[in-house]
Amino acid sequence: AQSVAQPEDQVNVAEGNPLTVKCTYSVSGNPYLFWYVQYPNRGLQFLLKYITGDNLVKGSYGFEAEFNKSQTSFHLKKPSALVSDSALYFCAVRDMGAAGNKLTFGGGTRVLVKP
Amino acid sequence: DGGITQSPKYLFRKEGQNVTLSCEQNLNHDAMYWYRQDPGQGLRLIYYSQIVNDFQKGDIAEGYSVSREKKESFPLTVTSAQKNPTAFYLCASSSFRDRGEQFFGPGTRLTVL
Repeated sequence: AQSVAQPEDQVNVAEGNPLTVKCTYSVSGNPYLFWYVQYPNRGLQFLLKYITGDNLVKGSYGFEAEFNKSQTSFHLKKPSALVSDSALYFCAVRDMGAAGNKLTFGGGTRVLVKP
Repeated sequence: DGGITQSPKYLFRKEGQNVTLSCEQNLNHDAMYWYRQDPGQGLRLIYYSQIVNDFQKGDIAEGYSVSREKKESFPLTVTSAQKNPTAFYLCASSSFRDRGEQFFGPGTRLTVL
């Protein structure tokens, strides 16, 4: 069975500093990996995805993520955080070998960017 | 304006009553999903449907029911058998061409009094 782990419940960072949100995954085959962001009382918004190709994926709002197959990780990064980046971030994985588009989500990491 | 709509945004019900949450999409997506989100927790899959007139149980289907009579619609009924129904409910859809990317609605917050 596929699974995703986000080891940090919360990440605190000062505005202007680099932001990293960690994610590790487990699948039986090759993974499709996704990052989503959720603002209070809203649905999830797609940030970026890794399907194949370059290990560094660029997404929306200046975010990027690095796929590392040997470490089974897909950490989300932003070089300079903004106060408006404060939100709940979810990592998700789809097993390419599985039928359908079912995703498994991590437990989420709350990001707090302080001015 | 394409997207997924959920209604209502907020819903209050008395304990023991069934309630139906609406989810509609005009993205022409084949698959639709229902998730439950509790405070401080991630998303848990309730039901999903990959095609009209077919659906499968997710990880926490007990106390819930769904139907998929039209491609655009995937309503969720929270029955009186659901022991703790107060939660934030999210609907999503995806196209098989998008290789797994799901698009989410704005959510319905259900509170059982």
